[in-house]
Amino acid sequence: DAGVTQSPTHLIKTRGQHVTLRCSPISGHKSVSWYQQVLGQGPQFIFQYYEKEERGRGNFPDRFSARQFPNYSSELNVNALLLGDSALYLCASSLALGRNTEAFFGQGTRLTVV
Amino acid sequence: GENVEQHPSTLSVQEGDSAVIKCTYSDSASNYFPWYKQELGKGSQLIIDIRSNVGEKKDQRIAVTLNKTAKHFSLHITETQPEDSAVYFCAAIEGGYSTLTFGKGTMLLVSP
Repeated sequence: DAGVTQSPTHLIKTRGQHVTLRCSPISGHKSVSWYQQVLGQGPQFIFQYYEKEERGRGNFPDRFSARQFPNYSSELNVNALLLGDSALYLCASSLALGRNTEAFFGQGTRLTVV
Repeated sequence: GENVEQHPSTLSVQEGDSAVIKCTYSDSASNYFPWYKQELGKGSQLIIDIRSNVGEKKDQRIAVTLNKTAKHFSLHITETQPEDSAVYFCAAIEGGYSTLTFGKGTMLLVSP
């Protein structure tokens, strides 16, 4: 079975540009979460989607947005990129919501903003 | 919200030694604590987790202990091997859904 897949694996963008990152969850998983991991830090929660609805949002500016599609895949969009947006963006899928639900992570997309 | 502290930030051991990584959390309502291993180019892999209804869980060379009263949990790796070298993250659930708050990570280096 395929795990969580993210694309692209690496990306270089210029300040002010827009970027779209994609995530396909494990088959049967209905929840997708996005995390930002800056070098030397742990992942920080950005968004959580379940059944195509936003169920949680971390402390990120409105330049960050996301959506979940009927097939449960998800996109993370970042507008007006800043140098500080350079990070590893991780997608995690879960079977459902809940405190005890395991989250499985993809390999991430390494975004570099120059 | 939840706050997770992780120590140490780096840990160097000799092959065969044991390694212990410790985490504390702030939200007494948290009841699920996973550990992830992050290797370069391989993403984050769930290696073990523990729920608040147990105090210890083992899986071969890896064990996790949880002290709910003190709000801390630890990862124990015995008989370390060079392939155990990676960054390890502890995490705790935040809020009513499956969103995780992570520690800052521990870089484990196992020397042959």
